[in-house]
Amino acid sequence: AQSVTQPDIHITVSEGASLELRCNYSYGATPYLFWYVQSPGQGLQLLLKYFSGDTLVQGIKGFEAEFKRSQSSFNLRKPSVHWSDAAEYFCAVGPSYGGSQGNLIFGKGTKLSVKP
Amino acid sequence: EAQVTQNPRYLITVTGKKLTVTCSQNMNHEYMSWYRQDPGLGLRQIYYSMNVEVTDKGDVPEGYKVSRKEKRNFPLILESPSPNQTSLYFCASSLGGDGYTFGSGTRLTVV
Repeated sequence: AQSVTQPDIHITVSEGASLELRCNYSYGATPYLFWYVQSPGQGLQLLLKYFSGDTLVQGIKGFEAEFKRSQSSFNLRKPSVHWSDAAEYFCAVGPSYGGSQGNLIFGKGTKLSVKP
Repeated sequence: EAQVTQNPRYLITVTGKKLTVTCSQNMNHEYMSWYRQDPGLGLRQIYYSMNVEVTDKGDVPEGYKVSRKEKRNFPLILESPSPNQTSLYFCASSLGGDGYTFGSGTRLTVV
């Protein structure tokens, strides 16, 4: 079955520290992979996406993610966290072709808190 | 401005009273979708649509209906709402494989 696992429900980091949010997926075919961010009371904003090619992808707000096929992982990283990065982060996976491209599956999210 | 617009933003209703949440996008996207978000459960897909008159069930379709008569609109219908449908609902659209653009959400309370 297709699934996305975000092992960490809540992470707290100090401002200026590095960040890595974990995402593991189970998918039968070559997937498209996404990271979204949701600030409190807001909708979801796309941070970055991976389709193919270079396994290290750059996104907005200084985020990057690395696709590792052998580990079925797509972890999100940021070298130096800012207080404004406090939010909930969602990893998502979807099919790379076909009519079911609309069937995007989300993980349960990781809430990031930032200490001053 | 490219956007997904859903209305209303907040809705309180009583059990069994039919309601519709509207969703409209101005980006000419083929794909549209409805998700519900509940604490600890993340986002779960209710229905999605690949184009006009083409829809498919997501993970939690029970108790919901959708229609896609026009490309830009994708309303979510609750024929007989129940308290377990109290949730935050998001509409989204995409070109397909490009990631969804989300609306601002509709917070529904069924009493």
